[in-house]
Amino acid sequence: GNSVTQMEGPVTLSEEAFLTINCTYTATGYPSLFWYVQYPGEGLQLLLKATKADDKGSNKGFEATYRKETTSFHLEKGSVQVSDSAVYFCALSANQAGTALIFGKGTTLSVSS
Amino acid sequence: SQTIHQWPATLVQPVGSPLSLECTVEGTSNPNLYWYRQAAGRGLQLLFYSVGIGQISSEVPQNLSASRPQDRQFILSSKKLLLSDSGFYLCAWSVLLNEKLFFGSGTQLSVL
Repeated sequence: GNSVTQMEGPVTLSEEAFLTINCTYTATGYPSLFWYVQYPGEGLQLLLKATKADDKGSNKGFEATYRKETTSFHLEKGSVQVSDSAVYFCALSANQAGTALIFGKGTTLSVSS
Repeated sequence: SQTIHQWPATLVQPVGSPLSLECTVEGTSNPNLYWYRQAAGRGLQLLFYSVGIGQISSEVPQNLSASRPQDRQFILSSKKLLLSDSGFYLCAWSVLLNEKLFFGSGTQLSVL
């Protein structure tokens, strides 16, 4: 079946450090891939997406590249800020009738100044 | 602009009591609607989704049910809550199924 696996957290970084949160997926066909972010006390919101192989999604300094050969969609940011502290969810849409968006378990990021 | 309302924000219920969580969307028509549960250590689990009035798809067999009595209203219910129903419940909507989802602020349910 379709699934998403994220690196377990928490991830603790100092401000301006480089961030990588790994995400790999299992899916048949050609899924779309997403990163959602959940700030403390809020619901989830879409951070970025990629709909086909080699696409790069980017937003707010975050990037993720859809790698079909490694079935990965790792989230990166060159210089994190305290305000980036949140829970990050990788998600997959199999783009098949009757299926729904599948989320990873989430990775907590804590950035200190 | 579109908004999503979910209430209550927190709820403490005894085991065996009923549950009703309500979610409404404004500013859009015929949205796809979703209920997710976020339990500690288990990530975000899809419970139900709906592509139209009266159409409910259940992802996980469980103690909960969902209904969509109106186009922009999605209700999560239980007749008798279990301890394992505790968690953070999120309602969401989207224009296209499984594309960009907009989430509500969630309901923290504690079953004691």
